[in-house]
Amino acid sequence: DVVMTQSPLSLPVILGQPASISCRASQSLEYSDGNTYLYWFQLRPGQSPRRLIYKVSNRDSGVPDRFSGSGSGTDFTLKISRVEAEDVGVYYCMQGTHWPRTFGGGTKVEIK
Amino acid sequence: QVQLVESGGGVVQPGGSLRLSCAASGFTFSSYGMHWVRQAPGKGLEWVAISWFDGSDKYYADSVKGRFIVSRDNSKNMLYLEMNSLTAEDTAVYYCARWDFDHWGQGTLVTVSS
Repeated sequence: DVVMTQSPLSLPVILGQPASISCRASQSLEYSDGNTYLYWFQLRPGQSPRRLIYKVSNRDSGVPDRFSGSGSGTDFTLKISRVEAEDVGVYYCMQGTHWPRTFGGGTKVEIK
Repeated sequence: QVQLVESGGGVVQPGGSLRLSCAASGFTFSSYGMHWVRQAPGKGLEWVAISWFDGSDKYYADSVKGRFIVSRDNSKNMLYLEMNSLTAEDTAVYYCARWDFDHWGQGTLVTVSS
């Protein structure tokens, strides 16, 4: 199985400051069709997971443009340019290239 | 709009069985593969299973293989997860999600306890 390793585990951030979450896969996530199926999800307390980013860098409809995804191969990053109070929650990366699908362990974003 | 509504969760004894349902609406259900994903208390997200759009293929996480069965009824826009030989490690909120994880249900809680 592909192991997805996220860091840091916890990310205290000052409001208005940037935040960055790393996600590393144990093998390349580039699929035979040329796409890289790496997703980012946000899980707020008491809510269902929300997809933020698909195929590395594509922002979902309604997701603020302060969220951005980047990376290739095995190394990926989610960045929040200026953290707002509503961004508090746990963020997960997930690979959709190999079976079984696997998630990272999560990064808890909190306000410092 | 796309809507996914899970049901069927509850408390079950170890070794017992439970069937979860996911009612889909707002899209052409028969055109999409569908997943089950779970989150145990205090833990992260874990992918559980997928049913192909037509039910022709199914994959499972090793942790549930041989115990869980995913199925669907495209005539009723329903996805199911039959869970057998349940253990405490299966205690979790179970979500159904559309193929590309762009839409999720609200989840249903399964508690395995004596």
